[in-house]
Amino acid sequence: TQLLEQSPQFLSIQEGENLTVYCNSSSVFSSLQWYRQEPGEGPVLLVTVVTGGEVKKLKRLTFQFGDARKDSSLHITAAQPGDTGLYLCAVPNFGNEKLTFGTGTRLTIIP
Amino acid sequence: DSGVTQTPKHLITATGQRVTLRCSPRSGDLSVYWYQQSLDQGLQFLIQYYNGEERAKGNILERFSAQQFPDLHSELNLSSLELGDSALYFCASSVGVGGGRYNEQFFGPGTRLTVL
Repeated sequence: TQLLEQSPQFLSIQEGENLTVYCNSSSVFSSLQWYRQEPGEGPVLLVTVVTGGEVKKLKRLTFQFGDARKDSSLHITAAQPGDTGLYLCAVPNFGNEKLTFGTGTRLTIIP
Repeated sequence: DSGVTQTPKHLITATGQRVTLRCSPRSGDLSVYWYQQSLDQGLQFLIQYYNGEERAKGNILERFSAQQFPDLHSELNLSSLELGDSALYFCASSVGVGGGRYNEQFFGPGTRLTVL
């Protein structure tokens, strides 16, 4: 079973600041997904990265897959209160399709 | 709106009881997944079905069971409920099996189960 470590566990910053959160493991993954979850709701898929070194942008969010496909980062520029939520990374288990989720980064953007 | 529906939204019951949670996947998705999320445990995978058959099993208790029906909707049955079973239960669906975008999962709004 892959272990996904996300850091930081909690992050609280002012609106307009930039931030980066991380998802790390010692295992190599075929792909990696990022989700955002708001309180009481289901996680929402943000992006899937597949190729080592891949960078994907979603408005102010930039996702990068590590060259060795063992880690990933999510960078948010000019954070807004609407970015508040729990950010989860997830990877498929080799041999089947179930996802293993990281422990998450709980982000709070202060207006 | 992810296209995945779950009922009921909230469920309050007593210890020892049995409940059934229902999930309808996105149109065209063949895989259904069930997750449990409690405050101190994060998102825990329970079980996956693909086109009616069990595909993968996670940390699902023997008191819990699930099935996927021919119309692809799924039900999660929780029996002999204990206080510790109180949690959010999510259903997710994906296109099918395989890597990359095939296992991108779309989550329903969840069922909040409270066991008193």
